[in-house]
Amino acid sequence: AQSVTQLGSHVSVSEGALVLLRCNYSSSVPPYLFWYVQYPNQGLQLLLKYTSAATLVKGINGFEAEFKKSETSFHLTKPSAHMSDAAEYFCAVSEGTGNQFYFGTGTSLTVIP
Amino acid sequence: GAVVSQHPSWVICKSGTSVKIECRSLDFQATTMFWYRQFPKQSLMLMATSNEGSKATYEQGVEKDKFLINHASLTLSTLTVTSAHPEDSSFYICSAITGKGNEQYFGPGTRLTVT
Repeated sequence: AQSVTQLGSHVSVSEGALVLLRCNYSSSVPPYLFWYVQYPNQGLQLLLKYTSAATLVKGINGFEAEFKKSETSFHLTKPSAHMSDAAEYFCAVSEGTGNQFYFGTGTSLTVIP
Repeated sequence: GAVVSQHPSWVICKSGTSVKIECRSLDFQATTMFWYRQFPKQSLMLMATSNEGSKATYEQGVEKDKFLINHASLTLSTLTVTSAHPEDSSFYICSAITGKGNEQYFGPGTRLTVT
């Protein structure tokens, strides 16, 4: 069975500070991992994904995530927060092509000016 | 590329009526589409997996007679909420897989309010 745990339902950072959103997964097979961002009343936008290639994945808007198998983690980071980064972030895991996604409960990011 | 649209973006209906939500893949063929439901401040809950030309696979606890899913073509899946009630009010999101890789592309969502 697969599952995703996002530690911290709410994270607040100051503008310009480091953003760190945590995601831990469990999977019986090598996972595919994703981070999505959702703005109010909108669908999900893919930030980045890990599909068994490079463990450090760079995404859009300056975000990146590192797959650490030993820690079963896929934390999302951004060196310097921007006001426009305020949104809901979801981590997801799947087993592969065509398989369903399992989403974490989401982390709401607030950026303080 | 890989754009998914939903129509309508929001709908208000009276209790007891039925509402149809469309999910379209605009520039690719989607053999598989997913329907999710999202309550305020919560994560996405998978309702069903829709495969073109076959019956949808519903997740446990989702009433298949209430949430009718039809995937009649490679670019269109529909979700019909039958005899809607206020507790069906939610944000419904669809997604589609292109067949290349395993990325899901999400629609912008449909806000359903049942009065």
